[in-house]
Amino acid sequence: GQNIDQPTEMTATEGAIVQINCTYQTSGFNGLFWYQQHAGEAPTFLSYNVLDGLEEKGRFSSFLSRSKGYSYLLLKELQMKDSASYLCAGSGGSYIPTFGRGTSLIVHP
Amino acid sequence: DTAVSQTPKYLVTQMGNDKSIKCEQNLGHDTMYWYKQDSKKFLKIMFSYNNKELIINETVPNRFSPKSPDKAHLNLHINSLELGDSAVYFCASSQGEGDGYGYTFGSGTRLTVV
Repeated sequence: GQNIDQPTEMTATEGAIVQINCTYQTSGFNGLFWYQQHAGEAPTFLSYNVLDGLEEKGRFSSFLSRSKGYSYLLLKELQMKDSASYLCAGSGGSYIPTFGRGTSLIVHP
Repeated sequence: DTAVSQTPKYLVTQMGNDKSIKCEQNLGHDTMYWYKQDSKKFLKIMFSYNNKELIINETVPNRFSPKSPDKAHLNLHINSLELGDSAVYFCASSQGEGDGYGYTFGSGTRLTVV
Protein backbone atom coordinates (compact mmCIF):
# COMPACT_ATOMS: atom_id res chain seq x y z
CA GLY A 1 0.00 0.00 0.00
CA GLN A 2 0.89 3.62 -0.28
CA ASN A 3 0.52 6.42 2.24
CA ILE A 4 1.80 9.94 1.65
CA ASP A 5 1.56 12.65 4.29
CA GLN A 6 2.36 16.34 3.86
CA PRO A 7 1.10 19.55 5.49
CA THR A 8 -2.06 21.02 4.04
CA GLU A 9 -0.96 24.63 3.93
CA MET A 10 2.10 26.80 4.53
CA THR A 11 2.74 30.51 4.28
CA ALA A 12 6.03 32.31 3.72
CA THR A 13 7.39 35.71 2.85
CA GLU A 14 8.80 36.75 -0.50
CA GLY A 15 12.58 36.30 -0.53
CA ALA A 16 12.56 33.76 2.29
CA ILE A 17 13.31 30.03 2.33
CA VAL A 18 10.61 27.42 2.91
CA GLN A 19 10.84 23.66 3.45
CA ILE A 20 7.89 21.43 2.62
CA ASN A 21 8.08 18.03 4.30
CA CYS A 22 6.69 14.75 3.11
CA THR A 23 6.61 11.38 4.84
CA TYR A 24 5.73 8.24 2.99
CA GLN A 25 5.02 4.58 3.50
CA THR A 26 5.31 2.88 0.16
CA SER A 27 5.63 -0.84 -0.42
CA GLY A 28 8.47 -1.66 -2.80
CA PHE A 29 9.63 1.95 -2.79
CA ASN A 30 11.50 3.12 -5.89
CA GLY A 31 11.69 6.87 -5.65
CA LEU A 32 9.96 10.11 -4.78
CA PHE A 33 8.56 12.83 -7.03
CA TRP A 34 7.75 16.46 -6.40
CA TYR A 35 5.33 18.33 -8.63
CA GLN A 36 4.15 21.94 -8.65
CA GLN A 37 0.52 22.76 -9.46
CA HIS A 38 -0.77 26.29 -9.85
CA ALA A 39 -4.49 26.78 -9.25
CA GLY A 40 -6.53 25.61 -12.21
CA GLU A 41 -3.49 24.27 -14.05
CA ALA A 42 -1.76 20.95 -14.65
CA PRO A 43 0.92 19.61 -12.30
CA THR A 44 4.45 20.15 -13.59
CA PHE A 45 7.41 17.91 -12.77
CA LEU A 46 9.99 19.35 -10.37
CA SER A 47 12.20 16.49 -9.22
CA TYR A 48 12.65 12.77 -8.75
CA ASN A 49 14.87 11.36 -5.97
CA VAL A 50 15.99 7.77 -5.86
CA LEU A 51 19.12 7.95 -3.72
CA ASP A 52 19.52 9.46 -0.28
CA GLY A 53 20.67 13.04 -0.18
CA LEU A 54 20.00 16.47 -1.52
CA GLU A 55 19.58 17.30 -5.20
CA GLU A 56 19.68 20.94 -6.19
CA LYS A 57 18.05 22.52 -9.23
CA GLY A 58 18.34 26.26 -9.16
CA ARG A 59 16.15 27.74 -6.42
CA PHE A 60 14.54 24.35 -5.74
CA SER A 61 16.18 21.42 -3.97
CA SER A 62 14.77 18.05 -2.98
CA PHE A 63 16.00 15.74 -0.23
CA LEU A 64 15.35 12.07 0.38
CA SER A 65 16.01 9.72 3.30
CA ARG A 66 14.95 6.21 2.36
CA SER A 67 15.58 4.79 5.83
CA LYS A 68 13.32 7.41 7.43
CA GLY A 69 10.65 7.45 4.72
CA TYR A 70 11.09 11.20 4.51
CA SER A 71 11.57 13.83 1.87
CA TYR A 72 11.48 17.58 1.68
CA LEU A 73 11.32 20.23 -1.00
CA LEU A 74 13.35 23.35 -0.28
CA LEU A 75 12.47 26.58 -2.05
CA LYS A 76 14.92 29.47 -1.79
CA GLU A 77 14.52 33.17 -2.63
CA LEU A 78 10.78 32.79 -2.73
CA GLN A 79 8.88 34.67 -5.39
CA MET A 80 5.19 35.47 -5.55
CA LYS A 81 4.85 33.11 -8.52
CA ASP A 82 5.91 30.22 -6.26
CA SER A 83 2.45 30.35 -4.66
CA ALA A 84 1.07 26.98 -5.70
CA SER A 85 0.32 23.50 -4.48
CA TYR A 86 3.32 21.17 -4.12
CA LEU A 87 2.57 17.50 -4.56
CA CYS A 88 4.72 14.75 -3.11
CA ALA A 89 4.38 11.36 -4.83
CA GLY A 90 5.95 8.02 -3.98
CA SER A 91 6.76 5.48 -6.66
CA GLY A 92 6.36 1.87 -5.60
CA GLY A 93 6.29 -1.57 -7.09
CA SER A 94 3.92 -0.69 -9.90
CA TYR A 95 6.06 2.35 -10.80
CA ILE A 96 2.91 4.47 -10.86
CA PRO A 97 3.31 7.37 -8.40
CA THR A 98 0.87 7.69 -5.53
CA PHE A 99 0.24 11.37 -4.84
CA GLY A 100 -0.32 13.09 -1.53
CA ARG A 101 -3.02 15.73 -1.28
CA GLY A 102 -0.47 18.48 -1.80
CA THR A 103 0.74 21.41 0.28
CA SER A 104 -0.72 24.77 -0.62
CA LEU A 105 2.06 27.36 -0.34
CA ILE A 106 1.07 31.00 -0.05
CA VAL A 107 3.84 33.54 -0.60
CA HIS A 108 3.07 37.04 0.61
CA PRO A 109 4.99 40.29 0.13
CA ASP B 1 2.57 23.13 -29.87
CA THR B 2 0.92 21.74 -26.76
CA ALA B 3 2.69 18.57 -25.58
CA VAL B 4 -0.35 16.87 -24.01
CA SER B 5 -3.69 18.25 -25.08
CA GLN B 6 -7.10 17.33 -23.72
CA THR B 7 -10.52 18.29 -24.91
CA PRO B 8 -12.83 19.61 -23.74
CA LYS B 9 -11.44 21.83 -20.99
CA TYR B 10 -14.84 22.14 -19.32
CA LEU B 11 -17.74 19.72 -19.45
CA VAL B 12 -21.09 20.23 -17.76
CA THR B 13 -23.62 17.47 -18.20
CA GLN B 14 -26.62 15.86 -16.59
CA MET B 15 -26.68 12.68 -14.56
CA GLY B 16 -27.14 9.58 -16.66
CA ASN B 17 -25.49 10.99 -19.78
CA ASP B 18 -22.52 9.43 -21.58
CA LYS B 19 -19.50 11.61 -22.36
CA SER B 20 -15.97 11.31 -23.72
CA ILE B 21 -12.76 13.15 -23.03
CA LYS B 22 -10.00 13.07 -25.62
CA CYS B 23 -6.26 13.19 -25.07
CA GLU B 24 -3.37 13.43 -27.47
CA GLN B 25 0.38 13.73 -26.88
CA ASN B 26 3.01 14.75 -29.42
CA LEU B 27 6.03 13.88 -27.30
CA GLY B 28 6.56 10.41 -28.72
CA HIS B 29 6.04 8.93 -25.25
CA ASP B 30 5.19 5.25 -24.89
CA THR B 31 2.97 5.47 -21.82
CA MET B 32 -0.21 7.45 -21.17
CA TYR B 33 -2.37 7.80 -18.09
CA TRP B 34 -5.66 9.07 -16.79
CA TYR B 35 -5.77 10.65 -13.34
CA LYS B 36 -8.73 11.98 -11.38
CA GLN B 37 -8.33 14.94 -9.02
CA ASP B 38 -11.20 15.34 -6.61
CA SER B 39 -12.30 18.37 -4.61
CA LYS B 40 -9.77 17.51 -1.89
CA LYS B 41 -7.01 17.75 -4.50
CA PHE B 42 -5.97 14.10 -4.37
CA LEU B 43 -4.58 12.96 -7.71
CA LYS B 44 -5.52 9.31 -8.19
CA ILE B 45 -4.40 7.05 -11.00
CA MET B 46 -7.25 5.52 -12.99
CA PHE B 47 -5.62 3.88 -16.00
CA SER B 48 -2.23 3.46 -17.58
CA TYR B 49 -1.54 2.40 -21.15
CA ASN B 50 1.81 1.42 -22.63
CA ASN B 51 1.98 1.29 -26.41
CA LYS B 52 -1.82 0.98 -26.69
CA GLU B 53 -2.01 -1.81 -24.12
CA LEU B 54 -3.67 -1.46 -20.74
CA ILE B 55 -1.16 -2.02 -17.95
CA ILE B 56 -2.86 -0.48 -14.93
CA ASN B 57 -6.54 -0.40 -14.12
CA GLU B 58 -7.13 0.81 -10.61
CA THR B 59 -10.41 0.31 -8.82
CA VAL B 60 -12.53 2.35 -11.15
CA PRO B 61 -16.21 1.68 -11.92
CA ASN B 62 -16.64 -0.13 -15.21
CA ARG B 63 -18.67 2.87 -16.41
CA PHE B 64 -15.23 4.30 -17.21
CA SER B 65 -13.67 2.84 -20.32
CA PRO B 66 -10.36 4.01 -21.77
CA LYS B 67 -9.58 3.59 -25.45
CA SER B 68 -6.16 3.92 -27.05
CA PRO B 69 -6.34 3.85 -30.87
CA ASP B 70 -2.59 4.47 -31.09
CA LYS B 71 0.18 5.31 -28.65
CA ALA B 72 -0.34 9.06 -29.10
CA HIS B 73 -3.99 8.98 -28.05
CA LEU B 74 -5.82 7.87 -24.93
CA ASN B 75 -9.49 8.72 -24.70
CA LEU B 76 -11.80 8.26 -21.73
CA HIS B 77 -15.43 7.37 -22.16
CA ILE B 78 -17.81 7.58 -19.22
CA ASN B 79 -21.25 5.98 -19.23
CA SER B 80 -24.21 6.83 -17.02
CA LEU B 81 -22.56 9.78 -15.34
CA GLU B 82 -23.12 10.23 -11.60
CA LEU B 83 -22.79 13.27 -9.34
CA GLY B 84 -19.69 11.74 -7.74
CA ASP B 85 -17.90 11.74 -11.07
CA SER B 86 -17.55 15.51 -10.84
CA ALA B 87 -13.80 16.18 -10.69
CA VAL B 88 -10.89 17.33 -12.80
CA TYR B 89 -9.56 14.60 -15.06
CA PHE B 90 -5.94 14.82 -16.14
CA CYS B 91 -4.32 12.97 -18.97
CA ALA B 92 -0.55 12.49 -18.74
CA SER B 93 2.27 10.80 -20.59
CA SER B 94 5.77 9.61 -19.79
CA GLN B 95 8.65 8.13 -21.71
CA GLY B 96 8.73 4.98 -19.64
CA GLU B 97 6.34 3.28 -17.27
CA GLY B 98 6.59 5.94 -14.63
CA ASP B 99 9.71 5.04 -12.74
CA GLY B 100 12.15 7.91 -12.85
CA TYR B 101 10.39 9.63 -15.70
CA GLY B 102 8.58 12.84 -15.02
CA TYR B 103 5.04 12.91 -16.23
CA THR B 104 3.80 15.58 -18.60
CA PHE B 105 0.22 16.42 -17.75
CA GLY B 106 -2.48 17.86 -19.93
CA SER B 107 -4.31 20.98 -18.76
CA GLY B 108 -7.19 18.96 -17.33
CA THR B 109 -10.90 18.57 -18.03
CA ARG B 110 -13.21 19.92 -15.36
CA LEU B 111 -16.27 17.68 -15.38
CA THR B 112 -19.37 18.84 -13.56
CA VAL B 113 -22.32 16.48 -13.33
CA VAL B 114 -25.61 18.15 -12.41
